[in-house]
Amino acid sequence: AQTVTQSQPEMSVQEAETVTLSCTYDTSESDYYLFWYKQPPSRQMILVIRQEAYKQQNATENRFSVNFQKAAKSFSLKISDSQLGDAAMYFCAYRSQGGSEKLVFGKGTKLTVNP
Amino acid sequence: DTEVTQTPKHLVMGMTNKKSLKCEQHMGHRAMYWYKQKAKKPPELMFVYSYEKLSINESVPSRFSPECPNSSLLNLHLHALQPEDSALYLCASSQEGPGDVISPYNSPLHFGNGTRLTVT
Repeated sequence: AQTVTQSQPEMSVQEAETVTLSCTYDTSESDYYLFWYKQPPSRQMILVIRQEAYKQQNATENRFSVNFQKAAKSFSLKISDSQLGDAAMYFCAYRSQGGSEKLVFGKGTKLTVNP
Repeated sequence: DTEVTQTPKHLVMGMTNKKSLKCEQHMGHRAMYWYKQKAKKPPELMFVYSYEKLSINESVPSRFSPECPNSSLLNLHLHALQPEDSALYLCASSQEGPGDVISPYNSPLHFGNGTRLTVT
């Protein structure tokens, strides 16, 4: 079974600074998808960024980028120019490529952005 | 604005009550999900419906009864709940169903805002 580990329960960053959230996972599969979801106090789970395991190029979405290291099974999220609205719980998630409906979540990292 | 709509936003019910949570999506997604989320924890999968058929039940107690009346709607019927069932209940949908090969564009789950349930 796949597992996802987020080793930082809480992180904080100053507004306009850069922060990196870590995520590692364990799998025997070669094809899969990785995601970062954000859950602000409004409760909705919002997709931040996704990465296909077969792609070597790291995904980027505006101020959000990932450092995907397949051999090390590492998938960290970098937030540049942090904004107050980035404050939220961030969940790393794994999904198999083979049609499994399950999304495996890490335990989450609570990000605080200080003005 | 979320493309997955959940009602009600908040629900308080007694242990002898019967209530239902509702979820609706109009994105043409073939799979719909119920997750339960306790405070400061990740969501835990409860049920998955694919093509309007129950495909996964994660050993959820029978006091939770899912229903998928059509491809756009998903209900969760609640009866004789316990205080420990108090949680945020999230609905989600995704394009693909079981056996479908996930493409990069179909694979994300789209979540609703959730229903905050309190059992007294």
